[in-house]
Amino acid sequence: AQSVTQLDSQVPVFEEAPVELRCNYSSSVSVYLFWYVQYPNQGLQLLLKYLSGSTLVKGINGFEAEFNKSQTSFHLRKPSVHISDTAEYFCAVSGKNNFNKFYFGSGTKLNVKP
Amino acid sequence: NAGVTQTPKFQVLKTGQSMTLQCAQDMNHNSMYWYRQDPGMGLRLIYYSASEGTTDKGEVPNGYNVSRLNKREFSLRLESAAPSQTSVYFCASSEGTHRTGETQYFGPGTRLLVL
Repeated sequence: AQSVTQLDSQVPVFEEAPVELRCNYSSSVSVYLFWYVQYPNQGLQLLLKYLSGSTLVKGINGFEAEFNKSQTSFHLRKPSVHISDTAEYFCAVSGKNNFNKFYFGSGTKLNVKP
Repeated sequence: NAGVTQTPKFQVLKTGQSMTLQCAQDMNHNSMYWYRQDPGMGLRLIYYSASEGTTDKGEVPNGYNVSRLNKREFSLRLESAAPSQTSVYFCASSEGTHRTGETQYFGPGTRLLVL
């Protein structure tokens, strides 16, 4: 089975500052990794995903994430955040050798202040 | 394309009542999922369906039943609601059957309160 840890439940940041949201996973098998964003009172929307190849993955809205196999991490970064990035962010993992079952982290609420 | 739609948006139930949450997708996807979202716990998989006519248990199936009515629709039933089932329920879908690494597309959610 897989599991995901998002250590930061809330991250406050000022507008135009950089931000990093941390995600660590544990798995006995190779995995695929995802970041989703949830705006207030909405469903989840895919930001980016890592399947294979380059460990630096670029997504929508200027976000990027880096897969680090040795540290079992997939941290999400943005060099300059906007007020509109205020949302909850979820990291998810799925194993490569079974059904497309996702295991989600507990989420990180990003609060961008003016 | 509407994507994934869910009805109702909100529901209040009394303990012991039953209800069915409806989900439909118009993307011709094969796989569909039901999750519940609770504060501080992320999303947890209740049931999933890899294709029409098949369903399997996820992490937290107790107290729920599902029906894959056809390729488009996947419903979740609470036979006897309990306060512990107060949550936000999300339906999702993905294109393939037993194909890993695929994006899951989510509906807007159903907010359920059980008194």
